[in-house]
Amino acid sequence: GESVGLHLPTLSVQEGDNSIINCAYSNSASDYFIWYKQESGKGPQFIIDIRSNMDKRQGQRVTVLLNKTVKHLSLQIAATQPGDSAVYFCAEKKGNNAGNMLTFGGGTRLMVKP
Amino acid sequence: KAGVTQTPRYLIKTRGQQVTLSCSPISGHRSVSWYQQTPGQGLQFLFEYFSETQRNKGNFPGRFSGRQFSNSRSEMNVSTLELGDSALYLCASSLGQVETQYFGPGTRLLVL
Repeated sequence: GESVGLHLPTLSVQEGDNSIINCAYSNSASDYFIWYKQESGKGPQFIIDIRSNMDKRQGQRVTVLLNKTVKHLSLQIAATQPGDSAVYFCAEKKGNNAGNMLTFGGGTRLMVKP
Repeated sequence: KAGVTQTPRYLIKTRGQQVTLSCSPISGHRSVSWYQQTPGQGLQFLFEYFSETQRNKGNFPGRFSGRQFSNSRSEMNVSTLELGDSALYLCASSLGQVETQYFGPGTRLLVL
């Protein structure tokens, strides 16, 4: 993902609608991708992950899609709730030799309107 | 199972001082990674420790260092603090090399 400094892209959705947060990753050698949610004053919270041998993975109300051709990752949240309001980060890891070094995108702020 | 804990949660220092931050991983986790989060640079990897050995290091000056103890607890140290070191320092732990990393709440450092 591209860092955008102080200005985070913001997605504003109505409660109950579906949300789609997008992320472009940088390294075609990356083989593991994760989405984290960060609420104000807290550390990032794991949401869902996907390995490069998959193109879709579903969790509870969340789906991650991976398009390796265009190096694009998306997080879909179904029936968005006020508690989903947070900053969402995608992260990538470049192969097993990278240990646990994650490269993070700049983040997207999700605002849910009641 | 308790999550990742970090101490202290908040810290104020002045330029030139040094600081030590502590991280206790989730029980059983052997890998601890440190990240710096700032509004300008986002989340950046500092270093990772596994079984008391530094396995990876990010692009930070030598003023940033760390270590891991035999019980997997980790500390990071920043010497000769600069104003730009003001940030949220996050610790993450995982079982090993390929498992999911879980983050602590962070230590917010303010350098005056």
